[in-house]
Amino acid sequence: GQNIDQPTEMTATEGAIVQINCTYQTSGFNGLFWYQQHAGEAPTFLSYNVLDGLEEKGRFSSFLSRSKGYSYLLLKELQMKDSASYLCAVTATGGGNKLTFGTGTQLKVEL
Amino acid sequence: GAVVSQHPSRVICKSGTSVKIECRSLDFQATTMFWYRQFPKKSLMLMATSNEGSKATYEQGVEKDKFLINHASLTLSTLTVTSAHPEDSSFYICSAVKQGIGTEAFFGQGTRLTVV
Repeated sequence: GQNIDQPTEMTATEGAIVQINCTYQTSGFNGLFWYQQHAGEAPTFLSYNVLDGLEEKGRFSSFLSRSKGYSYLLLKELQMKDSASYLCAVTATGGGNKLTFGTGTQLKVEL
Repeated sequence: GAVVSQHPSRVICKSGTSVKIECRSLDFQATTMFWYRQFPKKSLMLMATSNEGSKATYEQGVEKDKFLINHASLTLSTLTVTSAHPEDSSFYICSAVKQGIGTEAFFGQGTRLTVV
């Protein structure tokens, strides 16, 4: 089975840095994705981690620790447009490319 | 990036009628597509895996006779909500993945279904 947890809501200030955590308990873990979703729109891909460590892509970075079942998404230099829901999703061996999503974190960026 | 087109984006139907939602991969072939359902301010819940040329695989608790899935070609999967009821009102999203493990999923624009 799979259990994926994220904080429900977070608030941060424009220009600041925010870290969104994701913990998972997944049999046959085979990779973790982060997606951004604005209300009423489809999710858009942010990052993919399968090995331990940090993946950096512009203002966004994602970290994975397989031994701890833990990942985080780091957003730097926050902008108002970053206000959205952030979803972590995992894949497992035998599941093909099936994604199981976490609970999602609603981020609000304030002035 | 790859493009997945989902149609319609919004639909309102009467209780008891059926609604078909299409998901197309426009510039790549997808042997597998996925259908998700999302309630307001909630995460995506996988409903079923659509396999080209074979029966869909449904997640536990999803009624296969209620949510009919057809994947007749490598670029098209359809979800039909049969005998719709107000509780079926939701945001439905499809995704398709290019070949290869670890490849990002590309999502359709989603369909907002309202059953009145």
